[in-house]
Amino acid sequence: DVKVTQSSRYLVKRTGEKVFLECVQDMDHENMFWYRQDPGLGLRLIYFSYDVKMKEKGDIPEGYSVSREKKERFSLILESASTNQTSMYLCASGVTGVPYEQYFGPGTRLTVT
Amino acid sequence: GNSVTQMEGPVTLSEEAFLTINCTYTATGYPSLFWYVQYPGEGLQLLLKATKADDKGSNKGFEATYRKETTSFHLEKGSVQVSDSAVYFCARPPDRGYQKVTFGIGTKLQVIP
Repeated sequence: DVKVTQSSRYLVKRTGEKVFLECVQDMDHENMFWYRQDPGLGLRLIYFSYDVKMKEKGDIPEGYSVSREKKERFSLILESASTNQTSMYLCASGVTGVPYEQYFGPGTRLTVT
Repeated sequence: GNSVTQMEGPVTLSEEAFLTINCTYTATGYPSLFWYVQYPGEGLQLLLKATKADDKGSNKGFEATYRKETTSFHLEKGSVQVSDSAVYFCARPPDRGYQKVTFGIGTKLQVIP
């Protein structure tokens, strides 16, 4: 089975802190994704990566950056956390091709106070 | 045209009731279509898929038929159980290009004994 793990299930940070969310997948997938999930808004794509050191902006990249130094690991960085970044963050991975199936981690519930 | 529209929840049903969650899509062609499920405290997981028009996807008693005439992919189950309580997402890839997936807003289902 594909396994996608995220470094924390729950995280509480203060406004202005730099926050790192880590994601690791064990199936050698090319593609990795970061989403945020908010009530009434569904899943929104923040960034995705289709190869090591390659990244593309998703729908809501503002206030976030990412890093992919190794194929199995994809990090989401909040340079200066703000209260409107309080959310559930979901990482996913997938193989290039049809039909674009994605495998998700359990999520990190981030609270910024 | 790269979207899915999903009925808003929450949906509350008694055990053994019939379930329908509506999903419609916009597209210039015939994209693959998916239903994902998110159980409480977990990430999303693929429930079923259909890769071409008139296909029927099925899994765990759930079914969805890809109907190009009505551009729909409604999720159905004949007899729901308490363990089916979750959030259900309709999803599709873009018309061309990237590996991204567009998710619907999610429909929360609560099944009461």
